[in-house]
Amino acid sequence: DQQVKQNSPSLSVQEGRISILNCDYTNSMFDYFLWYKKYPAEGPTFLISISSIKDKNEDGRFTVFLNKSAKHLSLHIVPSQPGDSAVYFCAASAGGGTSYGKLTFGQGTILTVHP
Amino acid sequence: NAGVTQTPKFRILKIGQSMTLQCTQDMNHNYMYWYRQDPGMGLKLIYYSVGAGITDKGEVPNGYNVSRSTTEDFPLRLELAAPSQTSVYFCASSSGTSGRANNRGSYNEQFFGPGTRLTVL
Repeated sequence: DQQVKQNSPSLSVQEGRISILNCDYTNSMFDYFLWYKKYPAEGPTFLISISSIKDKNEDGRFTVFLNKSAKHLSLHIVPSQPGDSAVYFCAASAGGGTSYGKLTFGQGTILTVHP
Repeated sequence: NAGVTQTPKFRILKIGQSMTLQCTQDMNHNYMYWYRQDPGMGLKLIYYSVGAGITDKGEVPNGYNVSRSTTEDFPLRLELAAPSQTSVYFCASSSGTSGRANNRGSYNEQFFGPGTRLTVL
């Protein structure tokens, strides 16, 4: 039972254009969502997060949008740069303090930004 | 700060062998986690710990054991290696604090080690 799904295994965009990565979830108890970025042979690194009480959060070139009714979130990268090429994981957490920070991850989307 | 360190980086085991994957963090984090990542899949939680002496099972604990005798160390033990345990293993830690005032530094931000690539033949 995949509670967090990233249905696009890969995405290819031109440098300077917008990258949009999508994520769907099924568990209505999730109240916090995160995006992690992973380069080959490295561990994932935290990118941006959003609480379920918000519908948008921005940090520089990265914006995460949350649509609770559709159980859908997306990560926008504008403008995309070749250094953004990596695997992006969507993750979710439920239950606030009692969840002990446990995360459920999606399968990941490979983003390739062409010069 | 070195952050989260894992050893070894690579290992090949024969079926039935045992080994311990080491994980150490120097950020004084209370919460630590072990994940595995299979090809084309997301990370799945194996075990986690909320402090020294306290551990609990995650989503895929079968075939693994953990211990947490100190805040810094969280080793993962494979007792009888099987081909199904071929994977990349990541250790992570977080502060466990409840503050979520901004989009960085919340208690859910987990810091990951570089991973251990394990092959069981």
